[in-house]
Amino acid sequence: GNSVTQMEGPVTLSEEAFLTINCTYTATGYPSLFWYVQYPGEGLQLLLKATKADDKGSNKGFEATYRKETTSFHLEKGSVQVSDSAVYFCALFGGRGGYNKLIFGAGTRLAVHP
Amino acid sequence: DAGVTQSPTHLIKTRGQQVTLRCSPKSGHDTVSWYQQALGQGPQFIFQYYEEEERQRGNFPDRFSGHQFPNYSSELNVNALLLGDSALYLCASSLWGSETQYFGPGTRLLVL
Repeated sequence: GNSVTQMEGPVTLSEEAFLTINCTYTATGYPSLFWYVQYPGEGLQLLLKATKADDKGSNKGFEATYRKETTSFHLEKGSVQVSDSAVYFCALFGGRGGYNKLIFGAGTRLAVHP
Repeated sequence: DAGVTQSPTHLIKTRGQQVTLRCSPKSGHDTVSWYQQALGQGPQFIFQYYEEEERQRGNFPDRFSGHQFPNYSSELNVNALLLGDSALYLCASSLWGSETQYFGPGTRLLVL
C-alpha cells in the first residue's frame, strides 16, 4: 500500500542554518504531496503542497519539490529561526487506491537554538 | 471565519468506559475526517464522513464509530476504551473530493 518515510529526528540546528528534512514515498498512481507542521500542544497546520511531478510548493521560506523519479519530497529552508522549532510531517493524498485520506510519515522533530 | 474546532480539549477516562469527541468543520466545508495520533507518531486515518455517511474507513476496530449531522459537524465515539486508545484525536475538514484538509487543535484522550 501507499506509505511515507521521513528521516528520523531530532534535527538540531543553530539559528540561520540550512534545513533539509528528507521524505520519500511509495505509491501507485499520482498522489499529491504535503508538508504539515505541528507546534507544541497544537494540531497540524498545512505548510505547503505539490500536486504533480516537478511542482514546487513554498510557504514562509520553506520549499519542497515533487520528484517522481526519486519518489521524494524533501523539505528545505535556507535560514531557520528559533520559531521554526516544531514537528514536521510529510504526507501523501490519493494515488491509485489512496482515496480521500492523508497518509503521514512518522514526523521529524526540529529544534533550533539561538 | 472560525477554523476547525474540537471539544473537549482534554479528557481522562478509565478502561472500559465510552467517550464522545466533537468537531465543527471550517465554514463552507462538508467533509470531516478523523485521525488518531499516538505519542511520537504520525496521525493515522480513522474514517471520513460526507453527507452524513461514513465514506471510507481506516484500519480501526468497530469500537470506533462516528456520526455526521446535517450542519456538517461530527462526533467520534469510542467504546470499551483500552489503554492503547490514549492519543491525540484530530479532526480535519475539507470539501468533498478536495485533497487539502484543515486540522483542528485536537482532543487529547488519556485512558487510565
